[in-house]
Amino acid sequence: ETGVTQTPRHLVMGMTNKKSLKCEQHLGHNAMYWYKQSAKKPLELMFVYSLEERVENNSVPSRFSPECPNSSHLFLHLHTLQPEDSALYLCASSQDFGMTEAFFGQGTRLTVV
Amino acid sequence: SQQGEEDPQALSIQEGENATMNCSYKTSINNLQWYRQNSGRGLVHLILIRSNEREKHSGRLRVTLDTSKKSSSLLITASRAADTASYFCAFMEYGNKLVFGAGTILRVKS
Repeated sequence: ETGVTQTPRHLVMGMTNKKSLKCEQHLGHNAMYWYKQSAKKPLELMFVYSLEERVENNSVPSRFSPECPNSSHLFLHLHTLQPEDSALYLCASSQDFGMTEAFFGQGTRLTVV
Repeated sequence: SQQGEEDPQALSIQEGENATMNCSYKTSINNLQWYRQNSGRGLVHLILIRSNEREKHSGRLRVTLDTSKKSSSLLITASRAADTASYFCAFMEYGNKLVFGAGTILRVKS
């Protein structure tokens, strides 16, 4: 266990559904991240929050909406997704933005049907 | 923003042999890190090497960094079946973005 917990572990949703992914860390870290991992592609950084403020948004479609209500929790709200959005979504945290190592959750395997 | 490049894409070796994976990048970096991922799960940090370091060891892992060639290598010695996983290099660009390579899939046969 890395100290970063993601729920759910698996999610199947239709293109018209609305769902949310949750990430929780109790490591006392100040930065949290969402990454997307698609088959045979490098990890793609989606969003970065530092001290609960979004500091990075890598041209992610608006159907993905992040929320960071406090330093321990990070959400990714999903709506009207496309089949190509099916992927493993990984949450990570680090002590501070840009510092040393990142601790990853186990990921949410998302399938859009 | 760049992506890292790793080779080989896949590597299959016998238990007890050494495994070497390479990573290259294009711009200046603050540090370079290696991560491991078991199938369909999260990434686990293995080792970090700073831009002013040339070599680092951790257990059976040895990492080198050549900033003049913009490349790094990860050596796993005396491999075990449990080392079977995907291995990713990730480098910290100035500007504080952690960028990952495409990964090397390592299979260790017992």
